Amino acid sequence: DGGITQSPKYLFRKEGQNVTLSCEQNLNHDAMYWYRQDPGQGLRLIYYSQIVNDFQKGDIAEGYSVSREKKESFPLTVTSAQKNPTAFYLCASSDPTQGIYGYTFGSGTRLTVV
Amino acid sequence: AQSVTQLDSQVPVFEEAPVELRCNYSSSVSVYLFWYVQYPNQGLQLLLKYLSGSTLVKGINGFEAEFNKSQTSFHLRKPSVHISDTAEYFCAVTPGGGYQKVTFGTGTKLQVIP
Repeated sequence: DGGITQSPKYLFRKEGQNVTLSCEQNLNHDAMYWYRQDPGQGLRLIYYSQIVNDFQKGDIAEGYSVSREKKESFPLTVTSAQKNPTAFYLCASSDPTQGIYGYTFGSGTRLTVV
Repeated sequence: AQSVTQLDSQVPVFEEAPVELRCNYSSSVSVYLFWYVQYPNQGLQLLLKYLSGSTLVKGINGFEAEFNKSQTSFHLRKPSVHISDTAEYFCAVTPGGGYQKVTFGTGTKLQVIP
C-alpha cells in the first residue's frame, strides 16, 4: 500500500545536538511538507517542497533545515539553534498536478529534549 | 492570507447522539476546505474535502460537512457517534488550485461518553 513512513517514532535529543527525522513516501507525490504540532496550537508549517531540489521556508523555519534530493524523501534536521524542539513532527505529501489537494500524513515523530 | 477558527476546543457528547463540530474560515479568494481526524499519537487522516460543486460533502466513517459561503463556515456533522469517534478533528483551508499553503485550525477534541 502507498503511504508515508516517518522514522523514528520516538526520538530523544540532548541539548546542543542536531537530529534528523526521516520521511519517505511511495505515493509519487510531487509536494512534501513538514509540520510541527504542539498542544492547543494546531499544525504549523516548517518547510515545504514542491519539487526535487527545491524547498521553501514555512512559518516557523528557524532552527530547522531540510533537503529534497529524491522525490520520495524529505528529511528534516532539527538543529541546536531550535530552542524549543520538543514537539510532535508530522510529514505530509500532496500532488495538485494530479488533482490531489488533500494531504496524506505520516504517523509522526515525537521529539523530546532530555 | 486565510485563517481558520474552530470555536470549540473540546466537545463531549453521549454515544449515539448527534454531533456538530464548528469551523469558520476567512479568505479573500475562493477556497478548498478539509476536515482531518487524528487519533492519539498518530498522524492526521483526511475525512472529507470540499473543492467545488455540491455544498454537502460526505466523507468516511459516516461524517459529512456543509460548505456555506455566505456564513464562511464548513461545519462537520455526524448523526450518531460511536466510542471509536473519540479523537481530535482539524479543519483546514487553502486557496483553490495549485500549490497553495494549507492553514489548519487549532483542533476540536471530540469525547464520546458511553
